[in-house]
Amino acid sequence: EVQLLESGGRLVQPGGSLRLSCATSGFTFNTYVMGWVRQAPGKGLEWVSSVSSSGGATYYADSVKGRFTISRDNSKNTLYLQMNSLRAEDTAVYYCARRGYCSSSSCSSFDYWGQGTLVTVSS
Amino acid sequence: EIVLTQSPGTLSLSPGERASLSCRASHSVSSFYLAWYQQKPGQAPRLLIYGASSRATGIPDRFSGSGSGTDFTLTISRLEPEDFAVYYCHHYGSSPYTFGQGTKLEIK
Repeated sequence: EVQLLESGGRLVQPGGSLRLSCATSGFTFNTYVMGWVRQAPGKGLEWVSSVSSSGGATYYADSVKGRFTISRDNSKNTLYLQMNSLRAEDTAVYYCARRGYCSSSSCSSFDYWGQGTLVTVSS
Repeated sequence: EIVLTQSPGTLSLSPGERASLSCRASHSVSSFYLAWYQQKPGQAPRLLIYGASSRATGIPDRFSGSGSGTDFTLTISRLEPEDFAVYYCHHYGSSPYTFGQGTKLEIK
């Protein structure tokens, strides 16, 4: 059974830092692209960042570029999101998600998600 | 950046009716990389459709996706009580990936 379990969310002051983790099991972690998606309270979904299966390629939303760093440890089947210079607008539930494979006719999107971890940025 | 605009914002229908949700892209999107998600309160999103028209594993065949270029549609052929939720379209072809703002499907 595929499982993704986020941790690390908490209350942090503006300007502070936080590292989120996503422990995974039930699939061959090092063959999948992984990503983070967030959802501010009462708002829609916002893609934050993605990382290639090897960790060699990373992608970020403009809203977090230069402040957040995505990484992965394929030996531990774990995905990370280092968040620096946090702002009030970063307050959200952060979801870890797995991106499925591509075939000759289509490419899957985020097919498995964790339950999310809440990050609150406030003084 | 590709902006996805979903309409309507809220759709009020009764169980058994047909639902059509629209997603319009600001620029042409490859059909390979257009997905639809369902989200219920307090839950993570659930992948319904990827590649514009392929149903994800375990998704009932009353859900179907169509479209190309800038116009995409999610159709639910006959609404079940459990289908009332918020639906998002999502472009994931090239960074930055984006989501639509969502359509809330509510019981009439």
